[in-house]
Amino acid sequence: KAGVTQTPRYLIKTRGQQVTLSCSPISGHRSVSWYQQTPGQGLQFLFEYFSETQRNKGNFPGRFSGRQFSNSRSEMNVSTLELGDSALYLCASSLAVGQGKWFFGQGTRLTVV
Amino acid sequence: GQQLNQSPQSMFIQEGEDVSMNCTSSSIFNTWLWYKQDPGEGPVLLIALYKAGELTSNGRLTAQFGITRKDSFLNISASIPSDVGIYFCAGQGNSGGSNYKLTFGKGTLLTVNP
Repeated sequence: KAGVTQTPRYLIKTRGQQVTLSCSPISGHRSVSWYQQTPGQGLQFLFEYFSETQRNKGNFPGRFSGRQFSNSRSEMNVSTLELGDSALYLCASSLAVGQGKWFFGQGTRLTVV
Repeated sequence: GQQLNQSPQSMFIQEGEDVSMNCTSSSIFNTWLWYKQDPGEGPVLLIALYKAGELTSNGRLTAQFGITRKDSFLNISASIPSDVGIYFCAGQGNSGGSNYKLTFGKGTLLTVNP
């Protein structure tokens, strides 16, 4: 069974631009969540989705948004990029709400210059 | 918000030694998870714990869900060089607030000297 797939693996963007990251969950998994990982703040929760509905949102500005499609695939978007948005963005999937086990993808390394 | 204190921050040990690390929280969690992350990769799930007092093993790894539900421990026995990496604990809240997000510790960097 394929794991969580995130694309692209690496991105370099300029301040002010926007970016869209993609996540395909493990087959059969319906819950998807996103995390930002930086050396200073560690792993911080961004969003959680189930059945195309955002169930929970972390403490990030409105420039960070996401969505989930009917096939459980998810995207997150960051608009008006800032230097501080440089991070490893991780997507995780779980079988269902409250199932407990979250499996992570390899992440997308975003560098904002 | 919820805070997880993970210790130690780093460990440097000799191959064959046992390792212990732990996480404590100011809040109760219903699930504790332990992950290992290698450089440039995503976290890999090692062990999941669902009940207070639960002790679960995965090969040389053993983890426990603390009785108070505010802490968890991970032990690695007879360490080998491939155990090198960053180990993270993560707590998951209960369904009362529909909150299934993971709150992570800052990680324990493990270095194993062959």
